[in-house]
Amino acid sequence: AQTVTQSQPEMSVQEAETVTLSCTYDTSENNYYLFWYKQPPSRQMILVIRQEAYKQQNATENRFSVNFQKAAKSFSLKISDSQLGDTAMYFCAFIVSRGDDKIIFGKGTRLHILP
Amino acid sequence: GAVVSQHPSRVICKSGTSVKIECRSLDFQATTMFWYRQFPKQSLMLMATSNEGSKATYEQGVEKDKFLINHASLTLSTLTVTSAHPEDSSFYICSARDRLWEETQYFGPGTRLLVL
Repeated sequence: AQTVTQSQPEMSVQEAETVTLSCTYDTSENNYYLFWYKQPPSRQMILVIRQEAYKQQNATENRFSVNFQKAAKSFSLKISDSQLGDTAMYFCAFIVSRGDDKIIFGKGTRLHILP
Repeated sequence: GAVVSQHPSRVICKSGTSVKIECRSLDFQATTMFWYRQFPKQSLMLMATSNEGSKATYEQGVEKDKFLINHASLTLSTLTVTSAHPEDSSFYICSARDRLWEETQYFGPGTRLLVL
């Protein structure tokens, strides 16, 4: 069975600092996708970043980047120059590339950006 | 970017009534839509997978007669909570899978249901 583990239930950092959220996953599949979703207080789920497992290059989206370590099954999210608007629940997620599988979410990390 | 709308955003109803929630993909065609339930401070719990033109697939423990799903077109899926009870009060979120980016799901803004 595939699982996604986020070991940090809650984190707080000062505005403008860099923060890294951890995520590990377990699968026997070779082709899959990994995601980070953000859920701010509005509760709208927002796709932050997406990584294809076959790509060695780490995905980046502006201030957001990932450290994808396929052998270690690790997929951490780095937020640089954190802003107050980054305060949210962050979910790591995984899906196998068969087109008919369900996305599997971690339990989430609640991130507080402090002024 | 892909936009998914959900309506209504908030509904309060009396126990025993039925409530319909709509999920629409606004700028893309969704081969598959998903319905989730989220309890406070928890992750999303998948209730069912909805494919256009076919019956929904329900997760274990989800009553299909209680939560009716209809996926009438490539841009619309509905969830009807039948004979709602207070324990059905929750936050319901839909998502849609883009045909072109089949592994990526885009989420609606959610519907907060309160059953009195």
